[in-house]
Amino acid sequence: SQELEQSPQSLIVQEGKNLTINCTSSKTLYGLYWYKQKYGEGLIFLMMLQKGGEEKSHEKITAKLDEKKQQSSLHITASQPSHAGIYLCGASTSNSNSGYALNFGKGTSLLVTP
Amino acid sequence: GAGVSQSPRYKVTKRGQDVALRCDPISGHVSLYWYRQALGQGPEFLTYFNYEAQQDKSGLPNDRFSAERPEGSISTLTIQRTEQRDSAMYRCASSLGPGLDSNIQYFGAGTRLSVL
Repeated sequence: SQELEQSPQSLIVQEGKNLTINCTSSKTLYGLYWYKQKYGEGLIFLMMLQKGGEEKSHEKITAKLDEKKQQSSLHITASQPSHAGIYLCGASTSNSNSGYALNFGKGTSLLVTP
Repeated sequence: GAGVSQSPRYKVTKRGQDVALRCDPISGHVSLYWYRQALGQGPEFLTYFNYEAQQDKSGLPNDRFSAERPEGSISTLTIQRTEQRDSAMYRCASSLGPGLDSNIQYFGAGTRLSVL
């Protein structure tokens, strides 16, 4: 099965600072998904990356997929308390059209202090 | 509603009892997924459906777990003769379809199951 390693496991940053979370796969990624999880809520979809070298941004969050499609990074610029939560990367287990169950990493817990 | 709805939000049961967890996907979504999430871990795949057909149940831990989606919309995950190790957050997700481009999965808030 596909193993996803996230680093760091947890992160505490001061408000206004930049930060990066990494997600590394043991196999080629057919689709890489970033989600944010808050306590008591579901996973909130952030971004999906498919192509090697692809980069997407939404507000202050940028996600990249490397050329070899085995590593992705999530970068937050000028962090705010609202960015706090658990960030999860998930990857498709198949490149067929029979469905795309996701394997997830263990998550990175982010705390933003005033 | 606009999102994926799961019920109940919390379920406390005694060991040996059967439980049924319900998922109401986003209207029009073809694919429906069930995951289980332990504390401090990412969600772990259990099973998924396209329409009413169960396409993959390889993630179900054992034969006490079953799922159905009889009319291609609402799905029920049933756990028979619950055990303490079944305690976890059970999450449901739905997506437009099985293709890679339509596979953005939207998750419900989950059902927290506690087996005493």
